[in-house]
Amino acid sequence: AQTVTQSQPEMSVQEAETVTLSCTYDTSENNYYLFWYKQPPSRQMILVIRQEAYKQQNATENRFSVNFQKAAKSFSLKISDSQLGDTAMYFCASPDPGAGSYQLTFGKGTKLSVIP
Amino acid sequence: DAGVTQSPTHLIKTRGQQVTLRCSPKSGHDTVSWYQQALGQGPQFIFQYYEEEERQRGNFPDRFSGHQFPNYSSELNVNALLLGDSALYLCASSLVDRAHEQYFGPGTRLTVT
Repeated sequence: AQTVTQSQPEMSVQEAETVTLSCTYDTSENNYYLFWYKQPPSRQMILVIRQEAYKQQNATENRFSVNFQKAAKSFSLKISDSQLGDTAMYFCASPDPGAGSYQLTFGKGTKLSVIP
Repeated sequence: DAGVTQSPTHLIKTRGQQVTLRCSPKSGHDTVSWYQQALGQGPQFIFQYYEEEERQRGNFPDRFSGHQFPNYSSELNVNALLLGDSALYLCASSLVDRAHEQYFGPGTRLTVT
């Protein structure tokens, strides 16, 4: 079965600073997708950024970017110029290839606190 | 552009009861997935519906069942509720040819006492 591991249960960062959240995954597929979701206290799971494994270029969405290391099966999220609204749980997720890619497998999440 | 909506927001039930949760997908989406998120955990996949059929199922007992209607909205039913069913239930929608790219609703918080 697919596994997604987030090794940092909690992190904090000063407002306007940069923080990196880690994620590793295990897959036997060559082409797959990876996602980072944000879940603020309001509970709504929001898609932050996606990466397609066949694309070597790291994805970027405004202040959010990823460091995708395919050989190491690592997919970290970098948040630049952190804002108070970035305070949330962050989940790394990937479709389970053994399940035909319909089923997203999530990590346990990292709780990020942005300190004023 | 309407996003994914879920109802109710909160629900309190007693052990042994049955519950129905509802979801309307994002405009233009035809596929609905349901996830259970226990406190402090990531979401766990329950099942996915497309064309009113269960397309795939996660590791959940038969007490969990669902339905999809012709307008693509969906229901999640849980019978014989257990204390361990207390969780946030998330609905996600997608397009069938991009079923992995899922957009989530705000969830229904179910408490079983």
